[in-house]
Amino acid sequence: KNQVEQSPQSLIILEGKNCTLQCNYTVSPFSNLRWYKQDTGRGPVSLTIMTFSENTKSNGRYTATLDADTKQSSLHITASQLSDSASYICVVSAGGYQKVTFGTGTKLQVIP
Amino acid sequence: NAGVMQNPRHLVRRRGQEARLRCSPMKGHSHVYWYRQLPEEGLKFMVYLQKENIIDESGMPKERFSAEFPKEGPSILRIQQVVRGDSAAYFCASSPVDSLSYEQYFGPGTRLTVT
Repeated sequence: KNQVEQSPQSLIILEGKNCTLQCNYTVSPFSNLRWYKQDTGRGPVSLTIMTFSENTKSNGRYTATLDADTKQSSLHITASQLSDSASYICVVSAGGYQKVTFGTGTKLQVIP
Repeated sequence: NAGVMQNPRHLVRRRGQEARLRCSPMKGHSHVYWYRQLPEEGLKFMVYLQKENIIDESGMPKERFSAEFPKEGPSILRIQQVVRGDSAAYFCASSPVDSLSYEQYFGPGTRLTVT
């Protein structure tokens, strides 16, 4: 069964600090992995997307890594801002178009 | 270029009524996906449509739920005879025809409450 597990479930950090969110998956065959940011009451917004051959991708203060051998990904946020408070969702696609499996997300709260 | 639009944003229905949720994909996108998000849970795939075709509805309950994406107009997710368990946020996403990575762009969601 395809599964995506994220940790921690929730996280509180001080503004300006860095943090790393984890994603482990058991999805096969692997097509791509995406990280989304979902603000409360809104739809998810894509941060990064990585295919099998990519092991790191950055988008501003967000850097995602992928280890396809161990089936792990991480999302690193540097110099956190209050606006980073949201849920971060790891999504893994198997075999193309839409066979997507969503993680339940990590709820990040950045406090002043 | 407007993003994915969904309406209504909030919908309240009594048990037994019908709910119709609309999704207008981004301009140039002909692939539409519907997802359901229960409170404190991750999004779950329901159905994938292209214009006038249902490609995969394996995530959609067999009864009471239906989806369409006509040649003209928005995609519609229809829930007949709603029950309390249908209360959830329903998200629509779209992707362009030639997207190799099938990047999906999400709408703001419709929050359905069944009383």
